[in-house]
Amino acid sequence: GDSVTQMEGPVTLSEEAFLTINCTYTATGYPSLFWYVQYPGEGLQLLLKATKADDKGSNKGFEATYRKETTSFHLEKGSVQVSDSAVYFCALTLLNTGTASKLTFGTGTRLQVTL
Amino acid sequence: DAGVTQSPTHLIKTRGQQVTLRCSPKSGHDTVSWYQQALGQGPQFIFQYYEEEERQRGNFPDRFSGHQFPNYSSELNVNALLLGDSALYLCASSLRTITSTGELFFGEGSRLTVL
Repeated sequence: GDSVTQMEGPVTLSEEAFLTINCTYTATGYPSLFWYVQYPGEGLQLLLKATKADDKGSNKGFEATYRKETTSFHLEKGSVQVSDSAVYFCALTLLNTGTASKLTFGTGTRLQVTL
Repeated sequence: DAGVTQSPTHLIKTRGQQVTLRCSPKSGHDTVSWYQQALGQGPQFIFQYYEEEERQRGNFPDRFSGHQFPNYSSELNVNALLLGDSALYLCASSLRTITSTGELFFGEGSRLTVL
């Protein structure tokens, strides 16, 4: 079945450090890929997405590129802030025609940014 | 514009009891999905409803059932509760006719503790 594998956390970084969170996937067909973020006390929010190979999703300084050849969608940010502290989830979906589809999530990576 | 709202936010039950969780989707959305998020894990898809019918189901037993009402709100029912049902239950809404993004909007969840 479809699956998503993320690097285990927690990841602890100093403010302004470079961030990479690895994500690889297994899927039948051609998935759309997502990064969702869960801030403390809040619901999951979409951070960025990519719907086809070589697409780059970006938002709030975060980027991820859909790499079909390596089945990866690694999340990066050049300079993290304390406010980026959260749990990050990589996810995929296989779109069914005419319906909003279910997401398959990774286990999440907790990021802690310190001053 | 209200987002996805869920109730109750927290509840405690004992083994063997039954529970009902409620969800109101984001304004304009017609599709509701439910996810179970165990502590330290990623959300797992339970099922999806639109047009008041269950359309997709994940790998969950029949003890998990749901309903969608004409106003698109939804309920998740779990019978014969087990300790392993303790989790954060997330509701997500979307618009069925969105064919390209698969983006879901999540509520903050209902945290169920089974003693």
